[in-house]
Amino acid sequence: DGGITQSPKYLFRKEGQNVTLSCEQNLNHDAMYWYRQDPGQGLRLIYYSQIVNDFQKGDIAEGYSVSREKKESFPLTVTSAQKNPTAFYLCASSINLDRVGVAFFGQGTRLTVV
Amino acid sequence: EDQVTQSPEALRLQEGESSSLNCSYTVSGLRGLFWYRQDPGKGPEFLFTLYSAGEEKEKERLKATLTKKESFLHITAPKPEDSATYLCAVQPDDNDMRFGAGTRLTVKP
Repeated sequence: DGGITQSPKYLFRKEGQNVTLSCEQNLNHDAMYWYRQDPGQGLRLIYYSQIVNDFQKGDIAEGYSVSREKKESFPLTVTSAQKNPTAFYLCASSINLDRVGVAFFGQGTRLTVV
Repeated sequence: EDQVTQSPEALRLQEGESSSLNCSYTVSGLRGLFWYRQDPGKGPEFLFTLYSAGEEKEKERLKATLTKKESFLHITAPKPEDSATYLCAVQPDDNDMRFGAGTRLTVKP
């Protein structure tokens, strides 16, 4: 089945640690995205990538980093510089390079700081 | 500034009680408006895309409509399995997608 796979489903981070969230897609989509979801707020864009080896900052990129070495993979690293990382993280992909619409989301990773 | 506001925040319905969810938006230019369904602890599931005022889309008990300032998601004779959070998002001409905070729908049997 085609789709987007995020792992792990739950992740716990200690203060000062960097953690990496995985996102893999087998839809052959060019564009991939990372969103953050907090209670009572809309999804907010962290980073997006339209092509391998290229990515752009979204609205809340500070404290996060990404890479796009393969078309299928777009991992997100939450660094120790992110002061409030506890949230639900969603990866998404789109076939459209104009970024009109994000049609497919992964099942999310819930990150908690302990 | 591009903005999306969804109302109500939460809606409780009896099974079979039809109602509508609202999505008001302010954008410089609209390339598309999207509705998603999100179950607890899961990623959003795409429902509809609307591109121009007057457009309507239907899927089972759901019908989405679009005007120049807002979109409605009409739910006809809902069932308990329609319980979820419904997200609205807009794609402006010159910016990334903007999401509303969602409407949490509960349908009681």
